[in-house]
Amino acid sequence: AQSVTQPDIHITVSEGASLELRCNYSYGATPYLFWYVQSPGQGLQLLLKYFSGDTLVQGIKGFEAEFKRSQSSFNLRKPSVHWSDAAEYFCAVGAPMDSSYKLIFGSGTRLLVRP
Amino acid sequence: DTAVSQTPKYLVTQMGNDKSIKCEQNLGHDTMYWYKQDSKKFLKIMFSYNNKELIINETVPNRFSPKSPDKAHLNLHINSLELGDSAVYFCASSQRTGGYEQFFGPGTRLTVL
Repeated sequence: AQSVTQPDIHITVSEGASLELRCNYSYGATPYLFWYVQSPGQGLQLLLKYFSGDTLVQGIKGFEAEFKRSQSSFNLRKPSVHWSDAAEYFCAVGAPMDSSYKLIFGSGTRLLVRP
Repeated sequence: DTAVSQTPKYLVTQMGNDKSIKCEQNLGHDTMYWYKQDSKKFLKIMFSYNNKELIINETVPNRFSPKSPDKAHLNLHINSLELGDSAVYFCASSQRTGGYEQFFGPGTRLTVL
C-alpha cells in the first residue's frame, strides 16, 4: 500500500541554521512527490515537486529536495532558515487513479524557528 | 484573483444538522478534490471530480455528498452532522494535463457541537 512517513513530528532550528526535513515513501512505481507548507490557519502551498529527471529539485522560498530511489526518500532542505519559515510541512506522494490522482500525505513536521 | 476559494471559512453547528461548504476555482482546471484534515493535522482525500464526474470516493460515509454543477465548482453537503465530522475541509483543483500539481483553497473549519 502507498504510504508516506515523516519521522519527525517537531523540529526546532535557530534562525540562519540549515534545515533538513525527512520524508520516506512506499510506492510501487516511480512516484510523483511533493512538499507542501501550511502556515497557521492557512491552506497548503506547494513548495516543490518531483516527477522525473533531475533528482535534485528546486522550489520556492529557497527550498530544495532530493529524490533518492534507493532510500525511498525525498528530504526537504534549506541552507538558511528564516523566522517566517515556521510552519507545518507535509510530504506527499501522488497516486494515479483513473483520470485523476490522489495525494497521500505524511503526518507532517512542525518547524519551530528560534530567534 | 483568488485561485481556489471556499465558503464559509468557519462553520459552527449542532449535531444532527445539515450543512454545505462551497468551493470555486478560477484556474480553468478540470479536476477538483475534497480533503479532510483532522485534529492531528492528518490530511486524507475524500472525493475527486473530473469534468463533473465522480472519480474518487475514499470510503467516506454516505452522509457526505459532493456535487459539481460545473467544472469550476465542487460543493460538499453533509447530512446529520456528527461530532467526529469536526475538522478542516480543504478543496483543491488540478489540471489533468498540467503536471499533477494540486492547488488548495484556504480551508473551512467545521466545528460540530
